[in-house]
Amino acid sequence: GESVGLHLPTLSVQEGDNSIINCAYSNSASDYFIWYKQESGKGPQFIIDIRSNMDKRQGQRVTVLLNKTVKHLSLQIAATQPGDSAVYFCAETGGYQKVTFGIGTKLQVIP
Amino acid sequence: EAGVAQSPRYKIIEKRQSVAFWCNPISGHATLYWYQQILGQGPKLLIQFQNNGVVDDSQLPKDRFSAERLKGVDSTLKIQPAKLEDSAVYLCASSLGGQEARGYTFGSGTRLTVV
Repeated sequence: GESVGLHLPTLSVQEGDNSIINCAYSNSASDYFIWYKQESGKGPQFIIDIRSNMDKRQGQRVTVLLNKTVKHLSLQIAATQPGDSAVYFCAETGGYQKVTFGIGTKLQVIP
Repeated sequence: EAGVAQSPRYKIIEKRQSVAFWCNPISGHATLYWYQQILGQGPKLLIQFQNNGVVDDSQLPKDRFSAERLKGVDSTLKIQPAKLEDSAVYLCASSLGGQEARGYTFGSGTRLTVV
């Protein structure tokens, strides 16, 4: 079936550098995308979302980019901090409530 | 605001045994979800409740898994009998209902190990 997936399973970044986490999706009907952060022993936590009628959205230190032509989503974290170390999931939904998660990318911040 | 409460935090059982997980959602949240997260994978929706009614249980293995949400508040998820492949973290989430996914709040999960 259609799914959401990630290119890189592990990403190591020096503290202070910018991080880019990528995600590919295959469901062309997806119209809403979410990035979650999951720390060890905790549930996923909402970071930022974007609708399919947008190609960029910014939050505090985070930016999500959406390229519908190639069905690609990315999360950019500026000035990565040790507290950013976690597993990051992209997820999609074709409507309200039901969310399909990708596999996840582990971000390791090197002090 | 209190978060989504789940118990137990950890559970180890032998295959073919039964196990139950409990979830207390955020007060006032009408929608409750159970997800299964196998190690190294993203969470997969098992069942969604709206108040005490089931909205979506298409991915729930109904031959061994069951869930209920009596009175539209707390919920329990049961596995009987358990298999080795059921080893995972079981996450409960809740939302007000009619909200987009940004409105989800997840609990910390129950880590199940089947040996």
